[in-house]
Amino acid sequence: DAGVIQSPRHEVTEMGQEVTLRCKPISGHDYLFWYRQTMMRGLELLIYFNNNVPIDDSGMPEDRFSAKMPNASFSTLKIQPSEPRDSAVYFCASRLAGKNTGELFFGEGSRLTVL
Amino acid sequence: RKEVEQDPGPFNVPEGATVAFNCTYSNSASQSFFWYRQDCRKEPKLLMSVYSSGNEDGRFTAQLNRASQYISLLIRDSKLSDSATYLCVVTVSGSARQLTFGSGTQLTVLP
Repeated sequence: DAGVIQSPRHEVTEMGQEVTLRCKPISGHDYLFWYRQTMMRGLELLIYFNNNVPIDDSGMPEDRFSAKMPNASFSTLKIQPSEPRDSAVYFCASRLAGKNTGELFFGEGSRLTVL
Repeated sequence: RKEVEQDPGPFNVPEGATVAFNCTYSNSASQSFFWYRQDCRKEPKLLMSVYSSGNEDGRFTAQLNRASQYISLLIRDSKLSDSATYLCVVTVSGSARQLTFGSGTQLTVLP
């Protein structure tokens, strides 16, 4: 079975450029999460969706970050304009509603470097 | 104070050793507890849940102490393949079961 699929796996860009990260959750999963991981701050929740609706975006650092989920099989995280401090690994994860197992299924991550 | 705190390590232990990690959480309303494992440059994956009565999964034992608000993970007879970062994870009631991750404890098992 296909897991959570993220693209691109690696992105190197220059400060000021727009970055778009993409995620395809596991089919049938109701929740989708975007996390950011850095050495300094660990794994931070940015935003999550339930049935394509954003529920909590309090973790989004600032207005430069935006996320959308136009349908159940696709989500994007956009950074515009990007800054060097945005360099991190961005993970997308999904899970089923009603399953109290605490199991999130993560994608392999998108490693972003902003020069 | 961080919601979930872990000793970052690194823990370097020889093969066959027993190693234990602790994790403390600050929110007494925390409901569910888990350990995740993250290999170098890979995504986190669920290792095991932590139940109030304690639970085992092969060489791994997880325990919860609600009074002191800490969780532990014990690995017996450690293998080279156990080398990874172990993340303590907590969910808080009323948060639609959002998971809060600790920063992780790095383990290296040496031959």
